Amino acid sequence: GENVEQHPSTLSVQEGDSAVIKCTYSDSASNYFPWYKQELGKRPQLIIDIRSNVGEKKDQRIAVTLNKTAKHFSLHITETQPEDSAVYFCAARSYIPTFGRGTSLIVHP
Amino acid sequence: EAGVAQSPRYKIIEKRQSVAFWCNPISGHATLYWYQQILGQGPKLLIQFQNNGVVDDSQLPKDRFSAERLKGVDSTLKIQPAKLEDSAVYLCASSLVPRGSVTGELFFGEGSRLTVL
Repeated sequence: GENVEQHPSTLSVQEGDSAVIKCTYSDSASNYFPWYKQELGKRPQLIIDIRSNVGEKKDQRIAVTLNKTAKHFSLHITETQPEDSAVYFCAARSYIPTFGRGTSLIVHP
Repeated sequence: EAGVAQSPRYKIIEKRQSVAFWCNPISGHATLYWYQQILGQGPKLLIQFQNNGVVDDSQLPKDRFSAERLKGVDSTLKIQPAKLEDSAVYLCASSLVPRGSVTGELFFGEGSRLTVL
């Protein structure tokens, strides 16, 4: 089955800095890669996704890149704000969605 | 549009007791998932339904966990008997993904937090 590795487990940045979270996956058949944000005590919510026929996608301060050859994809958040503080999960999907272990992002004012 | 509804939100039981969680997906969503999220980890898929049929239950501990989705709408996840390591948040999610497609956003419920003492 699919195996998704996510790094780092914790990321601490100053407000205004950029944050990058990286994931690798094992199943070359995976072709859909969503990112979810989970605030403390809340449900995970989709923030951005990318399909395997696209190398990069951007939505305001958030961008995701995908390298299918290397089987890795990354989440980039620019101009971080305190409200970006949350746990971020990457996922890869071929048949069933498999999640990474999560990255706790802390943005210091 | 109403979201995914789950109950109960919190449950505390002793080991060897049984517990059941209920999920009502977003109307019209054919695919329903149950995930187990242990503190500090990512969601782990337990079972995936397409309408009332099981698509994948390879990670469901079938000696103690069971799930059903009668009539292809609501779903119930049961644990019997519970173990200490079952303490986790049980997340239900649904998606509007037709069979054979792999893309589609998962909409999660608030989760049911289980504590086994």
